[in-house]
Amino acid sequence: DIQMTQSPSTLSASVGDRVTITCRASQSLSRWLAWYQQKPGKAPNLLIYKVSSLRSGVPSRFSGSGSETEFTLTISSLQPDDFATYYCQQFNSYPWTFGQGTKVELK
Amino acid sequence: QVQLVQSGAEVKKPGASVKVSCTASGYTFTRYAIHWVRQASGQRPEWMGWINVGNGNTKYSEKFQGRVTITRDTAANIGHMELTSLTSEDTAVYYCVRDFEHCTGGSCLGYWGQGTLVTVSS
Repeated sequence: DIQMTQSPSTLSASVGDRVTITCRASQSLSRWLAWYQQKPGKAPNLLIYKVSSLRSGVPSRFSGSGSETEFTLTISSLQPDDFATYYCQQFNSYPWTFGQGTKVELK
Repeated sequence: QVQLVQSGAEVKKPGASVKVSCTASGYTFTRYAIHWVRQASGQRPEWMGWINVGNGNTKYSEKFQGRVTITRDTAANIGHMELTSLTSEDTAVYYCVRDFEHCTGGSCLGYWGQGTLVTVSS
């Protein structure tokens, strides 16, 4: 199975901060990587697919980049609605796997 | 709009089976795959498998092979996931998820049901 490792596990930040979350895969993913946001008690919500494609309706302050085994999710200016847990997920090979999550909390 | 509405919470004893349903609306049911993902409290999501709703073909994670069965009823626009031989380790929220239409060449998890809590306890 492809192992997905995110860093950091917890991130303390303030409104307006630029935030970067890293996701590393145990083998190359080509472009088959997605990012999700999850709030307590809710299902994950797809933000970015194929590394850098922003889902319609997702604010442009979210962006994704990377290739092969290293990927990043960036929030250019953190907003109050962005405090949540973020997961990366690979869909390069079965079984699809998720990172352990990065919780973005208020500093 | 795309909606996936799941069946209600279940409490099961160890060794029992559970079947979770997912009723789809707002799109052509047979056009997109349905996946099942579970998430234990405080843990990362875990992909279990998926079904090609059009032809009924399935693919399961090896972790669940032999214990999980994913089916669909195209007349009623319902997907099902059955998990057998339950243990306490299967206590989790189970989600049905529809493919995202723009993940061409691949498949990603675009539309999620509200989740069904399955609790396994003696």
